[in-house]
Amino acid sequence: DAGVTQSPTHLIKTRGQQVTLRCSPKSGHDTVSWYQQALGQGPQFIFQYYEEEERQRGNFPDRFSGHQFPNYSSELNVNALLLGDSALYLCASSKDLYQPQHFGDGTRLSIL
Amino acid sequence: QKEVEQNSGPLSVPEGAIASLNCTYSDRGSQSFFWYRQYSGKSPELIMSIYSNGDKEDGRFTAQLNKASQYVSLLIRDSQPSDSATYLCAVNVDDKIIFGKGTRLHILP
Repeated sequence: DAGVTQSPTHLIKTRGQQVTLRCSPKSGHDTVSWYQQALGQGPQFIFQYYEEEERQRGNFPDRFSGHQFPNYSSELNVNALLLGDSALYLCASSKDLYQPQHFGDGTRLSIL
Repeated sequence: QKEVEQNSGPLSVPEGAIASLNCTYSDRGSQSFFWYRQYSGKSPELIMSIYSNGDKEDGRFTAQLNKASQYVSLLIRDSQPSDSATYLCAVNVDDKIIFGKGTRLHILP
């Protein structure tokens, strides 16, 4: 039973560029959430997708956008990258809002 | 802003002793509570979930929830060096899961 998978594992970009991160949820899960984790901090909620719609959003600017596909997989897009966007980006999936979330291994994004 | 608070530590505990990790939250409407373990450079791993007041035990781990005091804790019995990690408390707030900053736990051999 495959868990949550994320790609790519690592990514290096320069300021101003755009990036797309991908996530496939655990089998049987239809809710996908994205988190940003800076070094030494807890994961910060970016947004959550369910039934191909953004249902909840954290305090992140519109540069952060996402999408969920009919097969429940999801993408996180970040435009106009800033140095402060350097972080570990985590995808988590769950069966519903109140069930435990299971995390992928994350994508380490470095902005030069 | 609704928050989840944890002592950042580090919390140092001798091997074999009980480690006690604490978390407070501000939203009285929260119904779901989770503890995750995160090793350095790795993603969070679910340890336990708790939804009702009282204690929930799973092996060496016990989660305790007190909704009146808005307090959730995690006890680790017979602490092992492999328990050294950051422990994250997560709470559902307004239909999203919010994490604390985590407590670093160091088990002393």
